[in-house]
Amino acid sequence: EDKVVQSPLSLVVHEGDTVTLNCSYEVTNFRSLLWYKQEKKAPTFLFMLTSSGIEKKSGRLSSILDKKELFSILNITATQTGDSAIYLCAVGTGTASKLTFGTGTRLQVTL
Amino acid sequence: SQTIHQWPATLVQPVGSPLSLECTVEGTSNPNLYWYRQAAGRGLQLLFYSVGIGQISSEVPQNLSASRPQDRQFILSSKKLLLSDSGFYLCAWSVGQYYEQYFGPGTRLTVT
Repeated sequence: EDKVVQSPLSLVVHEGDTVTLNCSYEVTNFRSLLWYKQEKKAPTFLFMLTSSGIEKKSGRLSSILDKKELFSILNITATQTGDSAIYLCAVGTGTASKLTFGTGTRLQVTL
Repeated sequence: SQTIHQWPATLVQPVGSPLSLECTVEGTSNPNLYWYRQAAGRGLQLLFYSVGIGQISSEVPQNLSASRPQDRQFILSSKKLLLSDSGFYLCAWSVGQYYEQYFGPGTRLTVT
């Protein structure tokens, strides 16, 4: 059975801190790893990674994939209160572009 | 641009009542469609997916069913709801072999 594990489950930081969110996976037929941000309702797409060692970056967010060790990290620098959300990691496998999601990391950024 | 709609936004139903949740996508043809359920504070569990009209694959055995009567319409149904069916239901779409999925606003279902 495909498995995606995220850590930590929850995290409280002060505005301006840098955070690292972790995602490890055990799946058959790995195709890609995706990160989503979920505030109140629908998850919104952040990154998709398919190759090891190539960093994807968008503003203060960046992510990298290690296909040998089967994990990815999501970094957020200079956190802001607007970064407070659940961050979901998902792995794409097999047919029909199916995704297997982790349980998410709940990030709270305080003033 | 593509848009995905879900309704209703919230729903409170008694145990044993039927359910019908609808999802429609605009601005794309022949999308892959997905139904997920998210329990409180948990990740997303894939319930059903469809790669074309009338083609439904079930991921989790349960008392829910799905149908795709039109290319861009996906319906989640139940004949008799259970308490355990409570949760946040999300519809999503993707195109072809691309793994990026885009989510609708969701329906929060409470079974009482």
